[in-house]
Amino acid sequence: GDSVTQMEGPVTLSEEAFLTINCTYTATGYPSLFWYVQYPGEGLQLLLKATKADDKGSNKGFEATYRKETTSFHLEKGSVQVSDSAVYFCALTSGGSNYKLTFGKGTLLTVNP
Amino acid sequence: DAGVTQSPTHLIKTRGQQVTLRCSPKSGHDTVSWYQQALGQGPQFIFQYYEEEERQRGNFPDRFSGHQFPNYSSELNVNALLLGDSALYLCASSASSPHEQYFGPGTRLTVT
Repeated sequence: GDSVTQMEGPVTLSEEAFLTINCTYTATGYPSLFWYVQYPGEGLQLLLKATKADDKGSNKGFEATYRKETTSFHLEKGSVQVSDSAVYFCALTSGGSNYKLTFGKGTLLTVNP
Repeated sequence: DAGVTQSPTHLIKTRGQQVTLRCSPKSGHDTVSWYQQALGQGPQFIFQYYEEEERQRGNFPDRFSGHQFPNYSSELNVNALLLGDSALYLCASSASSPHEQYFGPGTRLTVT
């Protein structure tokens, strides 16, 4: 079945540091890939997505590129801020539209001033 | 434009009881999915409703059931509650196109 593996946290960075959170996946067919963010006490917000190989999703300074050859979708940001502190989830859908999201376990990011 | 709303925000139940959680989708969305998020884990798919029918189901027992109403809102029912059912229950809605799922704030269920 489908699965998502993302790097174990927690990750602690200083403000303006470079961020990478690794994500790899296993899926049948050609999945769509997502990064969601969950701020403390809140639900999940879609951060970015990519629907086909070599697509780059980007939002709020975050980027991730759909790499079919390495089955990866790593999240990056060049300069993190304290407000980026949250839990980040890599996820995928496969098998057609509107089907279930399969999530990784999440990576807690803490950014210190 | 109101996003996905869920009620109640928090709920405390006793083992063996039954609970009903509610979700109203984002305007223009016709599909509702439910997820269970245990502490420190990623959300797990419970089921999805479309046109008032269960379209797909995850690996959850029959104690978990749902319903979708003609106005697209949805309920999640859990019978014979177990301590392990304590979790954050997330509702997500989506449209036929595009397919992104938008999440509500969740209902925190505690079973004692």
